[in-house]
Amino acid sequence: RKEVEQDPGPFNVPEGATVAFNCTYSNSASQSFFWYRQDCRKEPKLLMSVYSSGNEDGRFTAQLNRASQYISLLIRDSKLSDSATYLCVVPNNAGNMLTFGGGTRLMVKP
Amino acid sequence: DAGVIQSPRHEVTEMGQEVTLRCKPISGHNSLFWYRQTMMRGLELLIYFNNNVPIDDSGMPEDRFSAKMPNASFSTLKIQPSEPRDSAVYFCASSLMAGNNSPLHFGNGTRLTVT
Repeated sequence: RKEVEQDPGPFNVPEGATVAFNCTYSNSASQSFFWYRQDCRKEPKLLMSVYSSGNEDGRFTAQLNRASQYISLLIRDSKLSDSATYLCVVPNNAGNMLTFGGGTRLMVKP
Repeated sequence: DAGVIQSPRHEVTEMGQEVTLRCKPISGHNSLFWYRQTMMRGLELLIYFNNNVPIDDSGMPEDRFSAKMPNASFSTLKIQPSEPRDSAVYFCASSLMAGNNSPLHFGNGTRLTVT
């Protein structure tokens, strides 16, 4: 199993829709997870950490499913400005550093 | 707060020339990472340093690439000689510590074009 896998998309959704992305990981001992956002021709920026109990920040909710080894990002009431690539970040198989997924591209249409 | 600072923002050079990319990490961060991003291969880790010491350079493509971190506030990535396939965006990132608990903070990147 790859260390981290994401559906590259693109996910095309209308404004106001709810959209969710999943990201699977292989290191079952992983403790720390993050979601990053990357706009076109910009650097990746930390969006939110993913805690075991799940966490919410406004319209964004991140959850962890340890049994199935995936993390998810839910975006409610999507805005045009949410259009970006969303990268999940998980520990590598050795557990000594973070590794980035290939990203899921989201396009929110009017 | 000053974030990670990279220079130059853009670099256009001819094949065979030497290229030097520069990075200043966030003050107090102990780990520094160099990444390369292309459409085909996504974000690739080239090398990372912990307390100025290179820890893992297995991602460095070949001997033409070298990286140094002479002190806690400065790092360089050098390509000599450069080739067209080196064209990419090179990101530097820093974190409080190495390992898997500290998120990375990225610089704006250097867009390299080798003709």
